[in-house]
Amino acid sequence: AQTVTQSQPEMSVQEAETVTLSCTYDTSESDYYLFWYKQPPSRQMILVIRQEAYKQQNATENRFSVNFQKAAKSFSLKISDSQLGDAAMYFCAYRRWNNDMRFGAGTRLTVKP
Amino acid sequence: SAVISQKPSRDICQRGTSLTIQCQVDSQVTMMFWYRQQPGQSLTLIATANQGSEATYESGFVIDKFPISRPNLTFSTLTVSNMSPEDSSIYLCSVVLDTDTQYFGPGTRLTVL
Repeated sequence: AQTVTQSQPEMSVQEAETVTLSCTYDTSESDYYLFWYKQPPSRQMILVIRQEAYKQQNATENRFSVNFQKAAKSFSLKISDSQLGDAAMYFCAYRRWNNDMRFGAGTRLTVKP
Repeated sequence: SAVISQKPSRDICQRGTSLTIQCQVDSQVTMMFWYRQQPGQSLTLIATANQGSEATYESGFVIDKFPISRPNLTFSTLTVSNMSPEDSSIYLCSVVLDTDTQYFGPGTRLTVL
């Protein structure tokens, strides 16, 4: 079974600084997708970034980027120039083609002004 | 992306009653999922609901407790039956689009007294 591990229950960052959220996963598959979702207090799950496992290039979306290490099964999220609106729960997720998504336990990010 | 709506957005129910949650998508999708998020927890898959077939339930979830309907490619319902306080959670529907990314509805916050 695929599992996703987020070892940081809580993280804190100063506004305008950079923070990295960790995620590791376990799978025997070679083709899959990885995601980071953000869940603010409104509880809406918002897609932050996605990565296809067959792509070597790390995905980037504005201030959000990932460090995808396939051999190490690691998928960390870097948030640059942190903003107050980035405060939320962040979930790392794994999905194999045509299957459901499996989530990590989440990391609560606090942004200090 | 898809526009996904859920009704109701929240409800407070009495023990022993049932609640049906509706999920409406603005485009036709094959794969639809129902998740439960207990307070302070990550998302747990309840079942996969594909149009034209019976829902597939995850371990720990049964059809008698969580009956699901999927009458067409844009709509699904999840019923939480014979509720107890342990059923107090956020329930989210999710769909997969062509990009193989899952998008989530805004969630239904259920409180059982």
